[in-house]
Amino acid sequence: KQEVTQIPAALSVPEGENLVLNCSFTDSAIYNLQWFRQDPGKGLTSLLLIQSSQREQTSGRLNASLDKSSGRSTLYIAASQPGDSATYLCAVAHSNSGYALNFGKGTSLLVTP
Amino acid sequence: DTAVSQTPKYLVTQMGNDKSIKCEQNLGHDTMYWYKQDSKKFLKIMFSYNNKELIINETVPNRFSPKSPDKAHLNLHINSLELGDSAVYFCASSYLAGGDTQYFGPGTRLTVL
Repeated sequence: KQEVTQIPAALSVPEGENLVLNCSFTDSAIYNLQWFRQDPGKGLTSLLLIQSSQREQTSGRLNASLDKSSGRSTLYIAASQPGDSATYLCAVAHSNSGYALNFGKGTSLLVTP
Repeated sequence: DTAVSQTPKYLVTQMGNDKSIKCEQNLGHDTMYWYKQDSKKFLKIMFSYNNKELIINETVPNRFSPKSPDKAHLNLHINSLELGDSAVYFCASSYLAGGDTQYFGPGTRLTVL
């Protein structure tokens, strides 16, 4: 059974810092990995999708890497801003389960001005 | 031009009642999902439909019955509501082939009193 772990559970950084969020998964036979952002009381916004054959994806100040063999992914946020404050969720999909997402419990990020 | 919409946004009801949550997507996707986010913010898959056919049923109590009248709609009917059903329910959609990005609705916060 796939287990997804995110470290740290919470993180507080001053504005402008670069930061890394970590995600690990126990079953490396994933199809893809997706990073989401969730603001309080809101739905999920997809940030980046990495297919199992890819090593990384970039969007603006965000860069996500994937090391499937070691069961790890990182989300790198450059030059953090207060508007980046949210919960970041990592999720993996398997082709043998209809691509339903297995989620980690998230990292709650606070960027202070 | 909302991509994935859910109604209602909030639902407060008494134990034992029956209620429904509706989901619609206008993205032309062929697969829709229901996820449950519990009080600890952990997201878990409940059901998935592909072209109106059930493809995932994650040992959810049979009080929960999804219905997909067409591939743009996936409704969730819950019978005999229990206190433990209180959660936020998210609908999502994607293209199944290739395990594409999943797009989430805003969520329905269900409170059972």
